[in-house]
Amino acid sequence: AQSVTQLGSHVSVSEGALVLLRCNYSSSVPPYLFWYVQYPNQGLQLLLKYTTGATLVKGINGFEAEFKKSETSFHLTKPSAHMSDAAEYFCAVRAGGYQKVTFGTGTKLQVIP
Amino acid sequence: DAGVIQSPRHEVTEMGQEVTLRCKPISGHDYLFWYRQTMMRGLELLIYFNNNVPIDDSGMPEDRFSAKMPNASFSTLKIQPSEPRDSAVYFCASSLRLTSLDTQYFGPGTRLTVL
Repeated sequence: AQSVTQLGSHVSVSEGALVLLRCNYSSSVPPYLFWYVQYPNQGLQLLLKYTTGATLVKGINGFEAEFKKSETSFHLTKPSAHMSDAAEYFCAVRAGGYQKVTFGTGTKLQVIP
Repeated sequence: DAGVIQSPRHEVTEMGQEVTLRCKPISGHDYLFWYRQTMMRGLELLIYFNNNVPIDDSGMPEDRFSAKMPNASFSTLKIQPSEPRDSAVYFCASSLRLTSLDTQYFGPGTRLTVL
């Protein structure tokens, strides 16, 4: 079984401030982990993914996430928020080779000028 | 590549009518997924195909929903009869086989409203 929990359905940050979106996972096998972003009226777009190897993963638009097995976490960060980062962010997990991906409930990021 | 293409982008229908949503995956992708997104339930996987064969349809809510993939470049999701609770955004996604299994490319979605 696999699951994902995103802490906080809404997060607000000031422009230029640190962005931190939290994600904890549960998986019975070593997981593959993903962050997707959804802009209004659009489909989901992959930000970054962790499969194996380096635990700090860098993605597009300056985002990065760190896989912490001991904490079962995969939090998304960005040092300085930009207005264009306002969107909904989804954490997702896939248990090993099994193709089915489980998505979290999403976190809406608001960036305040 | 044009990406995953979905049609229509918006659909408004009345309860009891048949609704057909269409999807064209990215050429060469062997996996196709149908998702439903609602405020209440978030993003749910309904069904996915591998090489046009349905692999897991455990997410299909009930018999009113059916999906087909007659060939590698086309899939449909049909709801018959439709009900107001089916109102949602339906996404189609596709992914490559083998090493790129992880990355799913999403279409823009079809916003369905059932009155």
